[in-house]
Amino acid sequence: DADVTQTPRNRITKTGKRIMLECSQTKGHDRMYWYRQDPGLGLQLIYYSFDVKDINKGEISDGYSVSRQAQAKFSLSLESAIPNQTALYFCATSTLANTGELFFGEGSRLTVL
Amino acid sequence: QKEVEQDPGPLSVPEGAIVSLNCTYSNSAFQYFMWYRQYSRKGPELLMYTYSSGNKEDGRFTAQVDKSSKYISLFIRDSQPSDSATYLCAMSEAGGTSYGKLTFGQGTILTVHP
Repeated sequence: DADVTQTPRNRITKTGKRIMLECSQTKGHDRMYWYRQDPGLGLQLIYYSFDVKDINKGEISDGYSVSRQAQAKFSLSLESAIPNQTALYFCATSTLANTGELFFGEGSRLTVL
Repeated sequence: QKEVEQDPGPLSVPEGAIVSLNCTYSNSAFQYFMWYRQYSRKGPELLMYTYSSGNKEDGRFTAQVDKSSKYISLFIRDSQPSDSATYLCAMSEAGGTSYGKLTFGQGTILTVHP
């Protein structure tokens, strides 16, 4: 089983719908992140959380919200999806040690029509 | 202008070639430099990690950082078809709250053909 699990892996939805992407991890890491990947733009940080009571905005948080339900669970919500939120979304975790290593899930591909 | 610039390629080379991948950056506060490899339909995985300037070698892979020029490189020797992937450079500043907050390049798509 994957250490960082994202659900759903693929989702097609319509403009205006509320969408939740979920992430769970078995690595025991405190830090969790949501990144978005678009062709030609690389990965951009949406939100990050250093522990259950800590939530921080990243570079592109507008239109998104998150919830850290437990140390192992971090969900990303799109309250009212729009077509330019069509992208590949990655959840990642890291330890406190500054090795620069993020452990990524396999991604959730979201298409907003 | 993006903080980190990376030529997206695509780059196609024959098996056995030496591959050079590069990134430039503008933020002088970046202290940690990484290369991630991403296979199709997978999440990125850390390939190389370097702190500050200098070289680091791991098997067929060599990472170089030149902070004076704000330029980092990844060299792949004796490239193999299994090296075909997207390579992403990533950087972060020093300090506890910066850990894990990486700024990524756009990624370079590499294909190594037999």
